[in-house]
Amino acid sequence: AQKVTQAQTEISVVEKEDVTLDCVYETRDTTYYLFWYKQPPSGELVFLIRRNSFDEQNEISGRYSWNFQKSTSSFNFTITASQVVDSAVYFCALSVWSNYQLIWGAGTKLIIKP
Amino acid sequence: SQTIHQWPATLVQPVGSPLSLECTVEGTSNPNLYWYRQAAGRGLQLLFYSVGIGQISSEVPQNLSASRPQDRQFILSSKKLLLSDSGFYLCAWSGSSAGGADTEAFFGQGTRLTVV
Repeated sequence: AQKVTQAQTEISVVEKEDVTLDCVYETRDTTYYLFWYKQPPSGELVFLIRRNSFDEQNEISGRYSWNFQKSTSSFNFTITASQVVDSAVYFCALSVWSNYQLIWGAGTKLIIKP
Repeated sequence: SQTIHQWPATLVQPVGSPLSLECTVEGTSNPNLYWYRQAAGRGLQLLFYSVGIGQISSEVPQNLSASRPQDRQFILSSKKLLLSDSGFYLCAWSGSSAGGADTEAFFGQGTRLTVV
């Protein structure tokens, strides 16, 4: 069975601080996909990144970076120099080959204080 | 470019009344379509998904049903709403693939349903 754990229910930091959101996944499949989504207060889920299990390269996109480590089954998300607009709930999700379900973490609510 | 439309944005319905939420996708063909529900402060629960017209898979037994009458139209329905049906309903689409959910999903703006 697959599982995604986001142990941090809520994180609060002051603007311009760096913050890392943790995601730990469980699966026995060798082919799988990992995702991060952002849900701002408006409610719409915004896709941020997808990684497949054969690509362990870290990704950087502006102030966002992702660290994928198969050895620890983790796919952590770091925001550098956080801004108030980064305040949202962030979800990590997992899917496996030939399964149309996304397995979602419970989400981490990120609060950036000015 | 692809867009997804979901309506209405908010809905207040009495217990026992019917429900119909509609979702349409533009700019793509044969998408995988999904209905999710999100309870307040909680994660997402997959309700239904569809890989083609008339093909519906249900993940959670309940008094909701889904239909896909056209390639890019996905409808969530109920004959009689329960209080427990309150929540935030999200429609999503992803590119069709034999590999399942191996591509990212794109979400509509959601419908906030309150059953009173």
